Amino acid sequence: QVQLVESGGGVVQPGRSLRLSCAASGFTFSSYAMHWVRQAPGKGLEWVAVVSNDGSNKYYGDSVKGRFTISRDNSKNTLDLQMNSLRSEDTAVYYCARESSWVDPFDYWGQGILVTVSS
Amino acid sequence: DIQMTQSPSAMSASVGDRVTITCRASQGISHFLAWVQQKPGKVPKRLIYASSSLQTGVPSRFSGSGSGTEFTLTISSLQPEDFATYYCLQHNSYPITFGQGTRLEIK
Repeated sequence: QVQLVESGGGVVQPGRSLRLSCAASGFTFSSYAMHWVRQAPGKGLEWVAVVSNDGSNKYYGDSVKGRFTISRDNSKNTLDLQMNSLRSEDTAVYYCARESSWVDPFDYWGQGILVTVSS
Repeated sequence: DIQMTQSPSAMSASVGDRVTITCRASQGISHFLAWVQQKPGKVPKRLIYASSSLQTGVPSRFSGSGSGTEFTLTISSLQPEDFATYYCLQHNSYPITFGQGTRLEIK
């Protein structure tokens, strides 16, 4: 069955960097676009970024543009999120999610990983 | 960016009630609208995609409708396990945007 497992979260100081990973299994990873979505404590869902199935197209939310980079390795079935210049407002649970097609996004979600930005 | 506005922000209803949540987009998004459910401390779960297509395995008491700028999620007969927060999201264009959520409490 489809599984998405995030890793790499933790506590980091403001201004530092962190890299999240999402390990995918149970489907042909290279056929699907992949997203990151986050949720600050007690807040709603916020879309972060998307990468196309072949990695050629990437889009970002306004609040992370220029600081975060989404990437993927189809040979390893992994999705990454490189987060630089972290701010306290980046504190959130980060979810990776699959997109089956443009009309069929977010059909599967990972369990989420907590990132805390604090001095 | 396209703004998504849900109403109400919170509501309470009784088991067996028919519940409707509305989502409005600040500009037309065709039918590129999905609904997700999130229970406290749990992973979001998609219920509806393409405005009205039911996710496999989701009970048929959930339904979605709408196109353009106005959309609704309807629960035909509320069950105790439906206590959750519901979010709409548009995927017509980037950046993808979510509504602020509707917290549904069971009376």
